[in-house]
Amino acid sequence: DAGVIQSPRHEVTEMGQEVTLRCKPISGHDYLFWYRQTMMRGLELLIYFNNNVPIDDSGMPEDRFSAKMPNASFSTLKIQPSEPRDSAVYFCASSSQGGSHYGEQYFGPGTRLTVT
Amino acid sequence: AQSVTQPDIHITVSEGASLELRCNYSYGATPYLFWYVQSPGQGLQLLLKYFSGDTLVQGIKGFEAEFKRSQSSFNLRKPSVHWSDAAEYFCAVSNNAGNMLTFGGGTRLMVKP
Repeated sequence: DAGVIQSPRHEVTEMGQEVTLRCKPISGHDYLFWYRQTMMRGLELLIYFNNNVPIDDSGMPEDRFSAKMPNASFSTLKIQPSEPRDSAVYFCASSSQGGSHYGEQYFGPGTRLTVT
Repeated sequence: AQSVTQPDIHITVSEGASLELRCNYSYGATPYLFWYVQSPGQGLQLLLKYFSGDTLVQGIKGFEAEFKRSQSSFNLRKPSVHWSDAAEYFCAVSNNAGNMLTFGGGTRLMVKP
């Protein structure tokens, strides 16, 4: 398997623009997670899905952030409008709750977002 | 609420020396505990996990960790560090087997030749 795939790897945008981050989880995984990593706040869970359904979005910072999972192989995290304080590395991770790898989250390489 | 503390922000060890990275957690019930490693510019990779049973768990790359309930700790160890181990290490706790992970602040490991 190719692992968790994220695109783009780097995104530079101007304040006020819409940003869409994409994630393809590992095939067969039924959980998908979005995290944000910053120097100030470390790694934070933003939202997670189970079987394409959002389960907990309490970590989403505000209404400018939204996430969708239209099918088992694709998820997006959208920021509209973007602000400089949204600059961070955004990670997607997936996991399966069955088998010997129970509970293990597999992370993508991340998207480094810079908002100017 | 669950929380994780990694007291050491930076640690430097010589290649070949032993390593111990500290992790303390706060959680009301039996925790699920994890150690992840992050190399520069990359995502996180799972080193090992503890769910139940033997309190000494073995992971990849020669790492091990010991769960001590009385001390609320889950310290990561390696008997002999290699230069390739230089990275940032994160301890994490979960309330239900891998969902809702709460990460510590991380410990950055540097390895001297």
